[in-house]
Amino acid sequence: DTGVSQDPRHKITKRGQNVTFRCDPISEHNRLYWYRQTLGQGPEFLTYFQNEAQLEKSRLLSDRFSAERPKGSFSTLEIQRTEQGDSAMYLCASSLENVYVTDNTDTQYFGPGTRLTVL
Amino acid sequence: AQTVTQSQPEMSVQEAETVTLSCTYDTSESDYYLFWYKQPPSRQMILVIRQEAYKQQNATENRFSVNFQKAAKSFSLKISDSQLGDAAMYFCASHSNSGYALNFGKGTSLLVTP
Repeated sequence: DTGVSQDPRHKITKRGQNVTFRCDPISEHNRLYWYRQTLGQGPEFLTYFQNEAQLEKSRLLSDRFSAERPKGSFSTLEIQRTEQGDSAMYLCASSLENVYVTDNTDTQYFGPGTRLTVL
Repeated sequence: AQTVTQSQPEMSVQEAETVTLSCTYDTSESDYYLFWYKQPPSRQMILVIRQEAYKQQNATENRFSVNFQKAAKSFSLKISDSQLGDAAMYFCASHSNSGYALNFGKGTSLLVTP
């Protein structure tokens, strides 16, 4: 069973540049999440997709951030005009909706993350 | 909103001994779930154990068990017979039934000494 994969694993960029990260969820998972983790902190939620629909966005997701999941499979997270404060680990997670119960608490499986360094 | 607090930045345990990691949470939700995730150095986060708040029985997974005190909003993780491979950052997280996000604590770094 292939887990969640993310690409690239590391990205170094200069302030002001745009960057894009990719996440490939576990193949049958219809739910996909992005989190950001800074040093010494737990992950913080950024956004959530159910299939191709982006259903929830955190206040942390400023206008410079955009996420897509065009065909309900892989997802991309783009950061425009990067700032030094964007330096963090960006984590992707996926889960399979439990169609037999009406709740949102299916277990989330995490990828290895993309570590972004903005110089 | 849900908040999760882990008051122990670092813990240490000897191999084969037992250690307990603390977690408290605050929520106004009546229906929620609690999790412990493990994040080894430079490796991805994996689920250790989950607890449904409506269940009174504490969850167990092999050497890992929780002490869930709903009234006190406490959710501690006990690791028995600690192994060197248990060394990692451990995150406590909560998830309400009305939302999609996991809310994480700041983590506890567990050191396991031979």
